[in-house]
Amino acid sequence: DVQLVESGGGLVQPGGSLRLSCAASGFTFSSYSMNWVRQAPGKGLEWVSYISSNSRTIYYAGSVKGRFTISRDNTRNSLYLQMNRLRAEDTAVYYCAREGGQYVDILTGYEDLGYWGQGTLVTVSS
Amino acid sequence: QSVLTQPPSVSGAPGQRVTISCTGSSSNIGAGYDVHWYQQFPGTAPKLLIYGNSNRPSGVPDRFSGSKSGTSASLAITGLQAEDEADYYCQSYDSSLTGPYVFGAGTKVTVL
Repeated sequence: DVQLVESGGGLVQPGGSLRLSCAASGFTFSSYSMNWVRQAPGKGLEWVSYISSNSRTIYYAGSVKGRFTISRDNTRNSLYLQMNRLRAEDTAVYYCAREGGQYVDILTGYEDLGYWGQGTLVTVSS
Repeated sequence: QSVLTQPPSVSGAPGQRVTISCTGSSSNIGAGYDVHWYQQFPGTAPKLLIYGNSNRPSGVPDRFSGSKSGTSASLAITGLQAEDEADYYCQSYDSSLTGPYVFGAGTKVTVL
């Protein structure tokens, strides 16, 4: 079974840094693109960042570009999100999500987000 | 403010049919990009409910169905059950944005 387990969340002061990890198992990690999606308390889902299977293609949401860095280690089956210069508005549960693997939009080449981790809470507060 | 507009809430009695709309524009749904739907219960991770506009993953009851027309998509729940009370999100691609995914703001379904 596909498993995604996030870790690394916690309380951090504004301006601080945090590194999130997502440990993947149950599938060939190096074959799939991965994403980070966040959800602020009581709010909806916000896509944060995308990384292709070979790390050659990376995208960020405008709200985090220049502050967050996504990366992956296919030898360790792990996805990361380095978050710098954190702001109060970055407070959220952060989910790692894998593309579904069975359907591709023929216009974009992207898939649905078929698998999600349980999330890790990041709180930015003084 | 998302480029995909969903009603904040919908409600229905058990057994009724409810629909959730996801309204976009010519840079997303109207351009022909696929729509996916996710279900989320409080305190849990989202779960894929409908992919590719109208396809159900294995294990999703057939009372959930999706459709797309023009610049909008819809999720229908027929025979509404108490356990369907959750938040529902549509998701697509938008050519005016930098990334591959954009979500609607979500719709809370309440079973009366």
